[in-house]
Amino acid sequence: NAGVMQNPRHLVRRRGQEARLRCSPMKGHSHVYWYRQLPEEGLKFMVYLQKENIIDESGMPKERFSAEFPKEGPSILRIQQVVRGDSAAYFCASSPQQDNEQFFGPGTRLTVL
Amino acid sequence: SQKIEQNSEALNIQEGKTATLTCNYTNYSPAYLQWYRQDPGRGPVFLLLIRENEKEKRKERLKVTFDTTLKQSLFHITASQPADSATYLCALLWGGGNKLTFGTGTQLKVEL
Repeated sequence: NAGVMQNPRHLVRRRGQEARLRCSPMKGHSHVYWYRQLPEEGLKFMVYLQKENIIDESGMPKERFSAEFPKEGPSILRIQQVVRGDSAAYFCASSPQQDNEQFFGPGTRLTVL
Repeated sequence: SQKIEQNSEALNIQEGKTATLTCNYTNYSPAYLQWYRQDPGRGPVFLLLIRENEKEKRKERLKVTFDTTLKQSLFHITASQPADSATYLCALLWGGGNKLTFGTGTQLKVEL
């Protein structure tokens, strides 16, 4: 049973470009969470999705950020018009149920030049 | 708002000793508390979960305690090994919530 997969592992973008981060949850998991980790800071919750639905997006910046988890395919975190402050490690986690341990992917390290 | 505090100073201990890490929180008691391990450049790995009505949980060399009066959890690694060197994260979920709130982690280094 493969773990949570994220790609790309490293992503470099110039200011103003778009970044698309992908996450494939573990098989059988329908709950997906996205977190951001800035250098020297803890993991910060961004959004919680359950197949085709956004359940909680209270941690998402109001502008430029969006997330989806379609019926088929991976979950996508999309950042439009990236700025240097978006540089961080973005982690995806999945779980089989809501109040359960979360299994994390290896993360995508985004660098904005 | 809820606040989680973990000792930001690195913890250095000798191989074979017991490492004890602390997680303190403010305000309301969480529904449950989890401990994760994170190695550099990698995602967190789940270790243990303890619910608000549990006092203690064990798994092999790991032990977690949960004191809702003190608003504190302690994480113990007995017979520590250099391979236990990593950053350990405490994460809390409050009742009715959907998201984990993480502490900033404590770096543990086990020396020979």
